[in-house]
This record gives sequence, structure tokens and C-alpha cells, in this order.
Amino acid sequence: GQQLNQSPQSMFIQEGEDVSMNCTSSSIFNTWLWYKQDPGEGPVLLIALYKAGELTSNGRLTAQFGITRKDSFLNISASIPSDVGIYFCAGITQGGSEKLVFGKGTKLTVNP
Amino acid sequence: NAGVMQNPRHLVRRRGQEARLRCSPMKGHSHVYWYRQLPEEGLKFMVYLQKENIIDESGMPKERFSAEFPKEGPSILRIQQVVRGDSAAYFCASSPRRGPGTEAFFGQGTRLTVV
Repeated sequence: GQQLNQSPQSMFIQEGEDVSMNCTSSSIFNTWLWYKQDPGEGPVLLIALYKAGELTSNGRLTAQFGITRKDSFLNISASIPSDVGIYFCAGITQGGSEKLVFGKGTKLTVNP
Repeated sequence: NAGVMQNPRHLVRRRGQEARLRCSPMKGHSHVYWYRQLPEEGLKFMVYLQKENIIDESGMPKERFSAEFPKEGPSILRIQQVVRGDSAAYFCASSPRRGPGTEAFFGQGTRLTVV
């Protein structure tokens, strides 16, 4: 089945630092989504990408849809303590049931 | 994820019992997805439903699991004769339509513990 390889698995950073994480796949996706999940909660959508090459920002977050449609990255600038959580990438293929294929997540810890 | 309501938030069942998980989609949403999340893992697709129809159940185990989304009322994920391996967080997501770029909004999940 389709799989997304998300890296790094975990990150420990100081407040104020920038963060970068990415997802790669052997399959082509037509939509990439980035979610954040806090403990005990459901995933919350951060950014959605619909076109290859697209670069989209949401506040301190920036994400890009890779040209090959097989990868995406998420950057967080000037991290703050509330950025702590697990970040998931997810892809949707065209023509199917629009189900999401998720990566295994990047666990982010921000030290004040 | 405000608007997608799942209940109960936590459910404890003994082995062999039945578990019923409920999901009320956001207002105006007629598409519902169920996902399962094991500890330290990403979410895995189980089933996609529209009102009164199962569209894709390719991720759902053939035995003991069933799902429905009736014309009236919430979507139900039913697990019969639960086993310890069914312990997980089950998330429901809803969307207003099907098509490229559809965004799914998730509920807070039901955490099932089988003892």
C-alpha cells in the first residue's frame, strides 16, 4: 500500500529556533496536508497544498508541495512553547475515495 | 476540528464485549471517514461513508468491524467481540464533499481500551 516516510521522528529544539520536517513517498499525491496533534486530541489541519510546486504560509508555518508530487516539507519559524506536539503529513491520491494516507509523525519538543 | 463530535471520549470494554463509537459530522457535511491510531503511529484509514452508503471499506478488518451512516443520526463504528489488539484511538473526520483537495476535519477521538 501507499506509505509516507516522515522525518525526523522527533526533534528537541530551543525556543526561537526554526524547524524543518519533511515527507517523502514512492507514490504521487495530488494533495498534501499538514496536521498538528496535541495529546488526547484529534489532528488539526495546518496547511493544505493542491498544486505541485506550491508554497503556502500560515503565520509562522510554511509548507511546500514538491515538484515531483512525491514530497512535501513544513517549516516553522521562531518556535514557541505552544508549538509542542506531533506533526503529521498526509497525502490524498486522485480518483479514489479521497482517503488520507498519513506519515508516522514528527514529535516536536520546544525548550523554553 | 470544532464541530465534529465523537462520543464517548473514552471507552473501556472487556474482551468479548461490543464497542459502539459515535460520530456526528459538522453541520452540512455528508461525508464521514473513520481512522484508527495506534500509540506512536499515524492514523490509518478504515472506512469512508456517505449518508446511507459505504463508499470504501478497504481499510476495515473483514471480521467483527462494521460501520454505518444512517439518513438520520450519527455515524456508528461497531466492533464486536473486542480483543486487546483493538485498543487504540479511533478518529472520525467529516467533509462537505468529495473531490480533489477535499479537506477533512477531525473529531477529538474515542480512546478504546480493551481489558
